Amino acid sequence: DQQVKQNSPSLSVQEGRISILNCDYTNSMFDYFLWYKKYPAEGPTFLISISSIKDKNEDGRFTVFLNKSAKHLSLHIVPSQPGDSAVYFCAASSGGGSNYKLTFGKGTLLTVNP
Amino acid sequence: DAGVIQSPRHEVTEMGQEVTLRCKPISGHDYLFWYRQTMMRGLELLIYFNNNVPIDDSGMPEDRFSAKMPNASFSTLKIQPSEPRDSAVYFCASSYGPWETQYFGPGTRLLVL
Repeated sequence: DQQVKQNSPSLSVQEGRISILNCDYTNSMFDYFLWYKKYPAEGPTFLISISSIKDKNEDGRFTVFLNKSAKHLSLHIVPSQPGDSAVYFCAASSGGGSNYKLTFGKGTLLTVNP
Repeated sequence: DAGVIQSPRHEVTEMGQEVTLRCKPISGHDYLFWYRQTMMRGLELLIYFNNNVPIDDSGMPEDRFSAKMPNASFSTLKIQPSEPRDSAVYFCASSYGPWETQYFGPGTRLLVL
């Protein structure tokens, strides 16, 4: 049972336009969310995160939005650049206790065309 | 720092053979994580350690999989005997703490024939 779902396996956008990557989760205990970016033959690298006490977090061209009632988050990249072409993983965790772990989605392949 | 180091980068083996994957975390990181990436299941956590002690191994698929961390700078993930369905990319990651950013190694691509 996938607790973190990225329903779009791939997304293609033009350079300069906005890229919107979506993620849904089912576990209401999740309260911390992250996006990781992965290039071929490399490990994932952390991109941006958001706590459940916020609904938006921004870092340069990257903004993550969280809609807790809908159990949905999205990553916006504006403007998109060819170097942003990668697989993007959404991840979630629940705080508290002594057990900590990230649950990842399957990823969305973003292709930014020049 | 060189980052998280994994070896080998690629491994091809035959069904039934023992496979050992190795990881050197970033110095000073107290948490070490082993993940597996497949097309069907995506990126899933297998096991993680805190200060060399296994904390949660609920993601380990079956008894054929075992992981150890004999010291703060080295961990192994062993599959014995290996099966074709174990073919995947295995990532090791480390972090300073449970809420700190996890830094991933480049992964080991395993193919079991």
